[in-house]
Amino acid sequence: EPEVTQTPSHQVTQMGQEVILRCVPISNHLYFYWYRQILGQKVEFLVSFYNNEISEKSEIFDDQFSVERPDGSNFTLKIRSTKLEDSAMYFCASSEALGRGLEQYFGPGTRLTVT
Amino acid sequence: QQQVKQSPQSLIVQKGGISIINCAYENTAFDYFPWYQQFPGKGPALLIAIRPDVSEKKEGRFTISFNKSAKQFSLHIMDSQPGDSATYFCAASDYYGGATNKLIFGTGTLLAVQP
Repeated sequence: EPEVTQTPSHQVTQMGQEVILRCVPISNHLYFYWYRQILGQKVEFLVSFYNNEISEKSEIFDDQFSVERPDGSNFTLKIRSTKLEDSAMYFCASSEALGRGLEQYFGPGTRLTVT
Repeated sequence: QQQVKQSPQSLIVQKGGISIINCAYENTAFDYFPWYQQFPGKGPALLIAIRPDVSEKKEGRFTISFNKSAKQFSLHIMDSQPGDSATYFCAASDYYGGATNKLIFGTGTLLAVQP
């Protein structure tokens, strides 16, 4: 069964460093999302991406964040200068379409620890 | 108005019992309501979803009940099993009117099914 994959599973970085989280969405999916989950809290929407541009972003997704689809398979989230409060699980999700096929399938997540 | 309120925060059920988790929303534009199951260290997995044109949807032991006038929906797990022990998140999305299908998640319910 097709699944969303994410690498790395765990990333430890120092405050102020740049990190890139990588995702491979399900191959025929067209809509891509990043969510984050701070330990013990709910899952929060960060950004959605379609047709090589951001469709929607949340207040959390400030200028320190960027997303990119550098090739036909990968979808990345970059945090330019990490802060302690960026420590969280980051989940990538994808969906086939809006409307029919709108179900979002999540990857296993990347645990980001900022020290 | 974008919030989804979920209760209870935690739930202990005996094996074979019925688990009931409730969610409420304010935004009448929400028109897609999925439930996700999350095991520790894993990403959310889509369990079942409902659209507001029906009041109930059943898949195996899992049933969503939807009350459009009260703006509430609930997940019922019949014949609960220890393997159902996980965190359950309700979510909502503005599927027709939104730019994307971003999901607004509830705060989660930690379910423990005792053998």
